[in-house]
Amino acid sequence: DAGITQSPRHKVTETGTPVTLRCHQTENHRYMYWYRQDPGHGLRLIHYSYGVKDTDKGEVSDGYSVSRSKTEDFLLTLESATSSQTSVYFCAISESGAGAYNEQFFGPGTRLTVL
Amino acid sequence: DAKTTQPPSMDCAEGRAANLPCNHSTISGNEYVYWYRQIHSQGPQYIIHGLKNNETNEMASLIITEDRKSSTLILPHATLRDTAVYYCIVRGTTDSWGKFQFGAGTQVVVTP
Repeated sequence: DAGITQSPRHKVTETGTPVTLRCHQTENHRYMYWYRQDPGHGLRLIHYSYGVKDTDKGEVSDGYSVSRSKTEDFLLTLESATSSQTSVYFCAISESGAGAYNEQFFGPGTRLTVL
Repeated sequence: DAKTTQPPSMDCAEGRAANLPCNHSTISGNEYVYWYRQIHSQGPQYIIHGLKNNETNEMASLIITEDRKSSTLILPHATLRDTAVYYCIVRGTTDSWGKFQFGAGTQVVVTP
């Protein structure tokens, strides 16, 4: 299994509080991604990174920010959590961003509940 | 818009081969077919991918029709641990980063 860890694995927080989720990889892969998974919506891309300090928005980026100061770490921040952000969050990594060998490997997920 | 169509569910007997179909009639020449699966509460797991030739690895085989409009993922000897949602995804070599569009997938239940 790819060396990807996510922390915390579970979190319960209150509306309006800031939350930061961490993704850590030991594979030295250049590309990292944050997805959320909700019933009826499948996996949806929030933000992704194509290198240290290089990030871009995905399809559901509103209310989220990211940072990547080191190759191995990709942080997802909810500046002011809302109940609509209750979800399971998955981090993924890939060696390349496009081309034939850009399969993504996923972390174990973080279950976030916003009350 | 979904690029692939999969049956919502299928059952398979333990020890038998599981054949999972996927239609991708609008696939273009530079698009690969990827298969992932997601076991309950875990992150999606990469299984296999291919362009036009059949592919095999330690997990599964991928059979792509000659016209590339459909494919079949074969789990040769299904086990109870293969119970999962299986996703068929098409993605081009020039697609933007991160654009793996996971649809609803096929819920596979392997029974004893």
